[in-house]
This record gives sequence, structure tokens and C-alpha cells, in this order.
Amino acid sequence: DIQMTQSPSSLSASVGDRVTITCRASQSISSYLNWYQQKPGKAPKLLIYAASSLQSGVPSRFSGSGSGTDFTLTISSLQPEDFATYYCQQSYSTPHSFGQGTKLEIK
Amino acid sequence: QVQLQESGPGLVKPSQTLSLTCTVSGGSISSGSYYWSWIRQPAGKGLEWIGRIYTSGSTNYNPSLKSRVTISVDTSKNQFSLKLSSVTAADTAVYYCASQGIAVGDFDYWGQGTLVTVSS
Repeated sequence: DIQMTQSPSSLSASVGDRVTITCRASQSISSYLNWYQQKPGKAPKLLIYAASSLQSGVPSRFSGSGSGTDFTLTISSLQPEDFATYYCQQSYSTPHSFGQGTKLEIK
Repeated sequence: QVQLQESGPGLVKPSQTLSLTCTVSGGSISSGSYYWSWIRQPAGKGLEWIGRIYTSGSTNYNPSLKSRVTISVDTSKNQFSLKLSSVTAADTAVYYCASQGIAVGDFDYWGQGTLVTVSS
């Protein structure tokens, strides 16, 4: 099974900050990496698919990069509605696995 | 736009079988464009992929749950279902159904989630 490790587990930042979250796979997953945002009591929302493609309707301040084993999600200028938990997910092979999550909090 | 809605009992007794159904609207479950998946999340914890089914009936399960999981599809009702047997308190979680794109494997549409509590 492929293990996904996110860092950091939590992060405090301010509105307007640039934030980067990292996701590492235990083996190469090519570009089969997706990012989700989850707010309390809500289902996760797809932000980025195939490592760097922005899902329709998602603001352009979100971007993704990477391939192989190392990936990043960047928010260029944090907005109040961005404070949430973020998950990466590999879709290279089953069982499809998620990172443990990164909780982004207001500083 | 595809919409998904989970339904089923919110309380299941230990050792019994958890049964949930996901109703798909706004698109056909037989379209061939998606896998149909179940994902769960214990309170305050991360996401765990349970398994998926294709319109043909072909399934993939998480090995950690494989011996207890059955996912089935009813194309006539545009629904797919989850059965998890021999449940324990560790199976208490919010259960989500989701569509998973064939090409990339991203979960692009999700149900709102349903809390299932395992307790006597």
C-alpha cells in the first residue's frame, strides 16, 4: 500500500500570507495526486487534480505542483474562507490513500 | 451536475451489519465515466477509502476492510450500496459516498455524509 505523509500537520497563518503544504508518497505515483479542502461538518471539496490541474470553480490562488513522490499545494494569498483542513490523496493504485491532513488556522 | 445522497440507519449494534445506500442524481450511474466510492471519517480523524464499484459491477476494496465489505450497484435505481459486517465501535464514523473520475481517480462529487454510530 502507498503511504501519504503531509507536512505540516497544522499551520497558523494570516490573511494575505502565502502558504505551502507538502505531501510525500512512499513510492512514485507519477502525477496521480489530488488535493481537497474540508471545512468542519462538510464533505471534502476537490481543489486540484492530477497534481496541478485546478478544478472548475476553484479560485486561482490555489495551485499544485510536483510529480513522483513529492507534491505541494500553494495558496498564494490566504483569504478568510481558506481556513480549513487540507488533504492529499493518491489515485495511482488501490487502496487509494489520503494524507493525514493539514489544519490551517488563523494566526 | 451530479449529486449524491447517503441514506441508512444512524445507529448499528455491535456485531451487526452496517448498510448504507447512495442515490445519484443529475447523471446516470451507468454512464461509464465514474467509479462509485465509499469513504469514511471517524470524528476528528482523517479520511479512509473503503472501496469502489464500476457500473459493470467490478469492485475494489481496501484490504484493511475487505473481509467485511460488500459494495453493490443497482443501475435501475441509480444507486449503489455499502454493507460492512461484524461492526465494532471502531467503525463509528461519518460515511461519504463519492464519484471518482475514471481518468485521474479524483473524487469530484461527494454526498453530504452520514454519521453511523456503533453502539448497543
